[in-house]
Amino acid sequence: GDSVTQMEGPVTLSEEAFLTINCTYTATGYPSLFWYVQYPGEGLQLLLKATKADDKGSNKGFEATYRKETTSFHLEKGSVQVSDSAVYFCALNENTGNQFYFGTGTSLTVIP
Amino acid sequence: GAGVSQSPSNKVTEKGKDVELRCDPISGHTALYWYRQSLGQGLEFLIYFQGNSAPDKSGLPSDRFSAERTGGSVSTLTIQRTQQEDSAVYLCASSPSGRWDTQYFGPGTRLTVL
Repeated sequence: GDSVTQMEGPVTLSEEAFLTINCTYTATGYPSLFWYVQYPGEGLQLLLKATKADDKGSNKGFEATYRKETTSFHLEKGSVQVSDSAVYFCALNENTGNQFYFGTGTSLTVIP
Repeated sequence: GAGVSQSPSNKVTEKGKDVELRCDPISGHTALYWYRQSLGQGLEFLIYFQGNSAPDKSGLPSDRFSAERTGGSVSTLTIQRTQQEDSAVYLCASSPSGRWDTQYFGPGTRLTVL
């Protein structure tokens, strides 16, 4: 069945450091891939998405490229800020709308 | 505009009692999803509604769990004879017609079963 595996946290970085959060997936078809973010005390919100192989999703300085050959969708940011401290979830959907599969989440803390 | 709202925000109950969790989606959103987030776990899909119909109930963990949606709007998730392993944050999300790829999440209901 479909599943998403993301790197375990927590991750602690200094401000302006480079961020990578790994995400790999297993799917029977050709899914769309997503990163969601949950800031402290808030609900999950969509950060970025990619709908087909080699697409790059980007938002707020974050990027992720849909790599079919490695079944990966790693999240990157060149220079993190304290305000990026949150929990990040990788997810996939088989383009049916019915069910999303989420990873376990990676907690990021950025220190000044 | 108003986002997805859920009530109550926190619920503490005793083992064996029934609980009802409510979700008010964004007005006009046709799709509604329920998830469960247990400590240290990812989001576990429970059920999906398109309008008032639930074409996919495969995620409900047991027959103690049920959900309904009325008027294409409010949804209620009911857990009967609660167990301690039901303790989790229950999240609701909605999405507009044709835009299933963009879900808007509510703040969740934290359920604690003593």
